[in-house]
Amino acid sequence: DTAVSQTPKYLVTQMGNDKSIKCEQNLGHDTMYWYKQDSKKFLKIMFSYNNKELIINETVPNRFSPKSPDKAHLNLHINSLELGDSAVYFCASSQDWTSGGQNYGYTFGSGTRLTVV
Amino acid sequence: DQQVKQNSPSLSVQEGRISILNCDYTNSMFDYFLWYKKYPAEGPTFLISISSIKDKNEDGRFTVFLNKSAKHLSLHIVPSQPGDSAVYFCAASVNFGNEKLTFGTGTRLTIIP
Repeated sequence: DTAVSQTPKYLVTQMGNDKSIKCEQNLGHDTMYWYKQDSKKFLKIMFSYNNKELIINETVPNRFSPKSPDKAHLNLHINSLELGDSAVYFCASSQDWTSGGQNYGYTFGSGTRLTVV
Repeated sequence: DQQVKQNSPSLSVQEGRISILNCDYTNSMFDYFLWYKKYPAEGPTFLISISSIKDKNEDGRFTVFLNKSAKHLSLHIVPSQPGDSAVYFCAASVNFGNEKLTFGTGTRLTIIP
């Protein structure tokens, strides 16, 4: 009964391919995120969606396209994969970002390790 | 431009002693700080947080201290237990946590039995 689940857990693919990573949360959160953890272990935000609306789009190549069919899902599609895309991608969700009060941060998925060969 | 820095990539502590993990930040707009713990092949999990209106927050064995003038925060774990061995990430946000989190690069804590 995982709160934030990502599939697949591992993905090995060749350069130039197109691939998707799926994410689903059952916490009723309004905001979902994609983070990338590179080889230096640096966790950096890529995208954020609030109730299906894109609110954060960091300087990510446009080969990366997030899609949120509903507020419980945020998928990441990557076109023309490059060697430098190899990383661990984490999906996360949080309470409505416009609310105040105590904030417990994000709930993360277990990550998708993408290896481009 | 790394706005949140954890300068110690690793730390080893004897079981039962105190573990102190440090974090520095450069953005004076940050007003909410969080610590996450991460085991291998799992996502980070929330541990403890602190708002800039406080200088200390305690939760069981975990205490976070915030020194705004030095732009420095630390996480104290006492007593340290073998299950505490993990990577610890410091994170910061503006708007009291309602904006994106900016993470440090993590410190790998190893508790020696």
